[in-house]
Amino acid sequence: GENVEQHPSTLSVQEGDSAVIKCTYSDSASNYFPWYKQELGKGPQLIIDIRSNVGEKKDQRIAVTLNKTAKHFSLHITETQPEDSAVYFCAASIGSGYSTLTFGKGTMLLVSP
Amino acid sequence: DTAVSQTPKYLVTQMGNDKSIKCEQNLGHDTMYWYKQDSKKFLKIMFSYNNKELIINETVPNRFSPKSPDKAHLNLHINSLELGDSAVYFCASSLRRTANEKLFFGSGTQLSVL
Repeated sequence: GENVEQHPSTLSVQEGDSAVIKCTYSDSASNYFPWYKQELGKGPQLIIDIRSNVGEKKDQRIAVTLNKTAKHFSLHITETQPEDSAVYFCAASIGSGYSTLTFGKGTMLLVSP
Repeated sequence: DTAVSQTPKYLVTQMGNDKSIKCEQNLGHDTMYWYKQDSKKFLKIMFSYNNKELIINETVPNRFSPKSPDKAHLNLHINSLELGDSAVYFCASSLRRTANEKLFFGSGTQLSVL
């Protein structure tokens, strides 16, 4: 089955800096790569996703890049703010039929004022 | 209105007891899920139901029994609770059953087995 590795497990940045979280996946058939943000005491929430026919996608301060050849994808957050502090999960799936999302182990991002 | 609501938010119980967690979604979605998040934050799918039909059962002990009375509800009953069952359990839903659908998560039920 699919295996998703996520790094780093924790990331501390100063407000205004950029943050990058990286994930690798094992199944070359995977074609859907979402990112979820989990704030303290809440459930994960989708913040951005990318499909394998696209190399990069942006939404305001967040962007995701995908390298299918190397089987890795990354989340980029620019101009970080304290409210960006949360646990971020990457995930991968084949995106059809009964396949399920496989999540990475999460990155705790701490943005200090 | 909360899209995916689960109750209770906290559940503290003794080993060996039986407990249930309830989940309801008002999004009109066809598919619902139970996920388990352990103390290291790892998220793992347990079950998935599509229109009340079980479609995914990820090698979960049979002490865990999901029930879906209708497509808006998915409950989780756990028999003979063990210490290792302590975790946060999340209910989620998606419009359809394919894995490229956005998941909407509830706020979680923190289960502590003493």
